[in-house]
Amino acid sequence: ETGVTQTPRHLVMGMTNKKSLKCEQHLGHNAMYWYKQSAKKPLELMFVYNFKEQTENNSVPSRFSPECPNSSHLFLHLHTLQPEDSALYLCASSPASGGSGGELFFGEGSRLTVL
Amino acid sequence: RKEVEQDPGPFNVPEGATVAFNCTYSNSASQSFFWYRQDCRKEPKLLMSVYSSGNEDGRFTAQLNRASQYISLLIRDSKLSDSATYLCVVNMRGGSYIPTFGRGTSLIVHP
Repeated sequence: ETGVTQTPRHLVMGMTNKKSLKCEQHLGHNAMYWYKQSAKKPLELMFVYNFKEQTENNSVPSRFSPECPNSSHLFLHLHTLQPEDSALYLCASSPASGGSGGELFFGEGSRLTVL
Repeated sequence: RKEVEQDPGPFNVPEGATVAFNCTYSNSASQSFFWYRQDCRKEPKLLMSVYSSGNEDGRFTAQLNRASQYISLLIRDSKLSDSATYLCVVNMRGGSYIPTFGRGTSLIVHP
């Protein structure tokens, strides 16, 4: 069983909706990540949080808004998305970010469809 | 130029075959290197880390060539259960080091 839990597993939303994805890790890690996985494209890093502080924002549009209230929880707030934002959104954690930050542990992902 | 490049395949091999994948990376300041495995509609999971001296785990061997900036994965005696997508991951130097994924190589092992 994964130590990283994502909810919801599936989400369908309209372009005017506001929704949030949630990620929780039970591994005692200090770094958390959001990745986007679209068909036939590499996993794209979106955000990195290290000890609750955002350390990377990979030029992500402002319609995606991350929140990290503590080292165990990570949210991705979604508003006015576009159909091309439909993808699998994967949360991951690691002991620390950077350098030999170590293994990434992924959640099962939230599959998002924007109509 | 893509930061981490892999041949997407698919590599279609019979059981028992030996198959090798390569992955090239663009940033010479990259540090740690990994191979992940992703099954269909599942999340990626670590297969093995890649060390400078090369490392082996059962039927799997990983090697790193810093001079040519590539890593490789060799799978011996392929099993049906090895069918999956194999993702190359490189911790690349940007503002900090961040895990950067290749698009993955698809392996299909058939009877």
